[in-house]
This record gives sequence, structure tokens and C-alpha cells, in this order.
Amino acid sequence: DQQVKQNSPSLSVQEGRISILNCDYTNSMFDYFLWYKKYPAEGPTFLISISSIKDKNEDGRFTVFLNKSAKHLSLHIVPSQPGDSAVYFCAASGGNEKLTFGTGTRLTIIP
Amino acid sequence: KAGVTQTPRYLIKTRGQQVTLSCSPISGHRSVSWYQQTPGQGLQFLFEYFSETQRNKGNFPGRFSGRQFSNSRSEMNVSTLELGDSALYLCASSSLLGQAITDTQYFGPGTRLTVL
Repeated sequence: DQQVKQNSPSLSVQEGRISILNCDYTNSMFDYFLWYKKYPAEGPTFLISISSIKDKNEDGRFTVFLNKSAKHLSLHIVPSQPGDSAVYFCAASGGNEKLTFGTGTRLTIIP
Repeated sequence: KAGVTQTPRYLIKTRGQQVTLSCSPISGHRSVSWYQQTPGQGLQFLFEYFSETQRNKGNFPGRFSGRQFSNSRSEMNVSTLELGDSALYLCASSSLLGQAITDTQYFGPGTRLTVL
């Protein structure tokens, strides 16, 4: 039972445009959400997070939006750069739930 | 500060064998978690250790086990390997001073295990 879902396994975006990665969750106990970025042959690195008391968190080119009623979050990258090409994992935690990851979305930025 | 290190980076085993993977967390971090990454399955949580005690466990068979030492280093063992165990095994550490699981996890590069 996948509690955190990333329904798009891959996404291609032109350099300079906006990349939008989506994530849905089913467990209403989740109250903290994170995005990780993973390059090949490296472990995931923390990118940005958001607590359920907020609906938006911004860090430079990266913004995460949380819609609690829809149990949906998204990561916006503006403008997209070639170095953003990687696999992005959404993760959630809360209550007694361990950190639960989605299956990842491979983002490719086209120069 | 040195990052999370995992050894070995690559490993090839045959079915039925057993394997031990090692993880050294960031200095001062007391929590170590292990994940299995396979294509299409994302990162599946295996277990978490804190101060030498297993605090959380994922839905993996008993063939998967782990331990943590007093210096916070951790090992993961898989016995009676199966073809489906081929995966990237990732270790992550966090400071986790309290019970909050909002502490950021820092991942190692992983050990790529191939079972033939």
C-alpha cells in the first residue's frame, strides 16, 4: 500500500521554464513533508520541506506547496537549470509514522 | 564534517549467500536508518536504530536484520539472498535529539547489491 505516490515517473522540461513535480499522500497522520533530490551513484540529498501548518515554503528557485484538503503537494523549480536533472523523491512523516518515500520522478531539463 | 559513508559500494553475491553492509553516520548523529531502493518502488524503509536499539522496522522478512554499535556505526545483514534482493541499499543518519522525526536525514551513497 503506497502511502506516498508520485504518479509521474518522468518529466522533461525546457531549460528556463518551470518544473512542477507532484506528490499525493493518503495517510492523514502525515504532517511533515520533504523533497529529496538524487543524482546517479549518490544518495538522496535534502532539498526543501514543509510543515502542515503552512501551505507554502520557498527557498531560492524551489517552492513547495501543500494542499492538505487534497492531500497533495508539489515542488516548483523556477527557472529550471540543467543541473536540476535528477530523480526527485517526495517523503512524508507524522504521528508514529516513519519517513515514507514516494517512488520518485525523473526530471530531465532540456538545454 | 565528513558525510555518511557506506561500504562496500558494490557487491555481487549468489543466491543463498549472506551479505553484511556497513554504514558510518555523520559524527554526532545517533540515528541510522536503512532503505532499499529498487526501480519503481522508490525507497522502502527497512529499519531505524537509535542508541544501539531498533526503534522502527519496515515490512521486510526476517532475513533482513541490522544492528548498531556504541559508536553509532551500523551494519545491515541479509541472509539467504534471493534474486529480488538486488537493489541499492541506502543508509541515512540524523541527529534526532528528541522524538521528532522531522530531523533531516543525510544519506550515504549506497551499496549496490547484485544477486546472481
